[in-house]
Amino acid sequence: GAGVSQSPSNKVTEKGKDVELRCDPISGHTALYWYRQSLGQGLEFLIYFQGNSAPDKSGLPSDRFSAERTGGSVSTLTIQRTQQEDSAVYLCASSLHDRGKTQYFGPGTRLLVL
Amino acid sequence: GNSVTQMEGPVTLSEEAFLTINCTYTATGYPSLFWYVQYPGEGLQLLLKATKADDKGSNKGFEATYRKETTSFHLEKGSVQVSDSAVYFCALAVWMNYGGSQGNLIFGKGTKLSVKP
Repeated sequence: GAGVSQSPSNKVTEKGKDVELRCDPISGHTALYWYRQSLGQGLEFLIYFQGNSAPDKSGLPSDRFSAERTGGSVSTLTIQRTQQEDSAVYLCASSLHDRGKTQYFGPGTRLLVL
Repeated sequence: GNSVTQMEGPVTLSEEAFLTINCTYTATGYPSLFWYVQYPGEGLQLLLKATKADDKGSNKGFEATYRKETTSFHLEKGSVQVSDSAVYFCALAVWMNYGGSQGNLIFGKGTKLSVKP
């Protein structure tokens, strides 16, 4: 399809396990963003990629969170030693890298940590 | 810092009523402003945007004008429909003139709109 895709759509895991969330951006979009949507915190920015580089990782909530992007395309968000407060919907968005360009969002991965 | 404040919901209206959802912002740099909508069970979609002061964004009968003097971007629709029931998010993206522009979105808390027939 032409949109941003994310996998898995739902993930249930046990506290302490590691999880990997995947994002496939729209082809040709050089900018990629990860956000988290939770009941208590609303929509929070996590990390931004321009190409394969992440100039700003300050939005990541702890050092258990990491992300990478390869080939200027697919990105993976990894959460190590998951905690219950990590339960949220993780959203990926992509855009052309230009001021004011629209960010297109994927459907999200709903993560539940038991 | 950069932030967005939008009116608390939920908002319940009858079909064909006039809608206003207030949004104000605080930003340094050169903000662009957006309204995103999340329909039940669906992902975030861009509704409209404005990239500079006095621009008006419009789509599907919704409008919002970027007012720099009042730092506002209020969403309006003259006649809502049941199908407009959704959560509406005001957001801004700030582009800084340092080596790497960023433009991540900063969202308001969201306003849930319910339209009754």
